[in-house]
Amino acid sequence: QKEVEQDPGPLSVPEGAIVSLNCTYSNSAFQYFMWYRQYSRKGPELLMYTYSSGNKEDGRFTAQVDKSSKYISLFIRDSQPSDSATYLCAMSADYGGATNKLIFGTGTLLAVQP
Amino acid sequence: SAVISQKPSRDICQRGTSLTIQCQVDSQVTMMFWYRQQPGQSLTLIATANQGSEATYESGFVIDKFPISRPNLTFSTLTVSNMSPEDSSIYLCSVRTGARSDSPLHFGNGTRLTVT
Repeated sequence: QKEVEQDPGPLSVPEGAIVSLNCTYSNSAFQYFMWYRQYSRKGPELLMYTYSSGNKEDGRFTAQVDKSSKYISLFIRDSQPSDSATYLCAMSADYGGATNKLIFGTGTLLAVQP
Repeated sequence: SAVISQKPSRDICQRGTSLTIQCQVDSQVTMMFWYRQQPGQSLTLIATANQGSEATYESGFVIDKFPISRPNLTFSTLTVSNMSPEDSSIYLCSVRTGARSDSPLHFGNGTRLTVT
């Protein structure tokens, strides 16, 4: 079983739709959760960063963490064609060392149709 | 966040040759990392580039195949040696700009490598 599971999609939605992207994980030590957006032929760009459980909102984006279910979500409201990209979830634990290794999901390809 | 420049952006190489990828950051950073991204797979950490000492490699990656240099706090190189078609992938340089170990990573745009 992979440490982080993410539905690869592709996910196609009409413009203006609410998009829900999800990841599940198996390591209960994970405390830091991130979402990255990756446009074609570009590197991953940090979108959202949350610590432990709860919600975080930034404009049209909301990140949600449910540690009891080992489940994280990214919601995109009023989706736009410019949101079309691959979305990667990533997470890490804090073992107190100098480097906390990030574990990534495989990414979900999202296409927002105008 | 830091501006991370990678060169080359893409290359097509012949089997058995080597390619060196450069990563330049516009500010001093403590931690630099090299990742590989293959289609349908999650980003995989190759190694941590340590300034002034040998890189720390992840399981499945060895120094002879992926030698790394980190001469200062703004620059690193990754060499893919004795390439085979299985090395065809996107190679990404990444940095941690915050001082805390939980600070998120930032990525360059990657080097798209095709080995024929």
